[in-house]
Amino acid sequence: EDQVTQSPEALRLQEGESSSLNCSYTVSGLRGLFWYRQDPGKGPEFLFTLYSAGEEKEKERLKATLTKKESFLHITAPKPEDSATYLCAVQNSGYALNFGKGTSLLVTP
Amino acid sequence: DGGITQSPKYLFRKEGQNVTLSCEQNLNHDAMYWYRQDPGQGLRLIYYSQIVNDFQKGDIAEGYSVSREKKESFPLTVTSAQKNPTAFYLCASSMEYTGVGLGEKLFFGSGTQLSVL
Repeated sequence: EDQVTQSPEALRLQEGESSSLNCSYTVSGLRGLFWYRQDPGKGPEFLFTLYSAGEEKEKERLKATLTKKESFLHITAPKPEDSATYLCAVQNSGYALNFGKGTSLLVTP
Repeated sequence: DGGITQSPKYLFRKEGQNVTLSCEQNLNHDAMYWYRQDPGQGLRLIYYSQIVNDFQKGDIAEGYSVSREKKESFPLTVTSAQKNPTAFYLCASSMEYTGVGLGEKLFFGSGTQLSVL
């Protein structure tokens, strides 16, 4: 059975304090790993898709990386507006998409 | 602007009542989805539709029903058979169902919070 585990559940950072969020997964045939950002009371917003181990993608202060067992979302010098819940989702060879429970990030000034 | 519109933002259900959540998209996407989000849990798929007049059950379809009579619309009915309906409901779309496997991103609406009176 496919599993997606995100850690930590919650993370509090000072503005400018870089850190990483983790998404560990087991899947039958990885088709893609997705990162989304979700603000309170809103729908998730797409950030990245990663397909294979070794792949990296960047967007502003965010960088996503992928290995055969996990993905990291690195946040460099975060700002308060980066505060949100970050969701990881993994798609298997049968197109089923499994979401993790998310990491709630709070960046304080 | 293109996007997905969900309504209402908040909805209250009385005991034994059916309620319908609206989802409309103007992205010309073929595939549409309904997810349920509970605090501390990942998104769970209720129903999905790959094309007009066709839909499939997801992981937690019991107590829910859908229709897809138009490409733009995918309403979700929460029936009285759903004993624990309180949750945040998210509608999403993608260009094509198999396209999601090709890195095609999901576009989400802003959600409907359903509560039981």
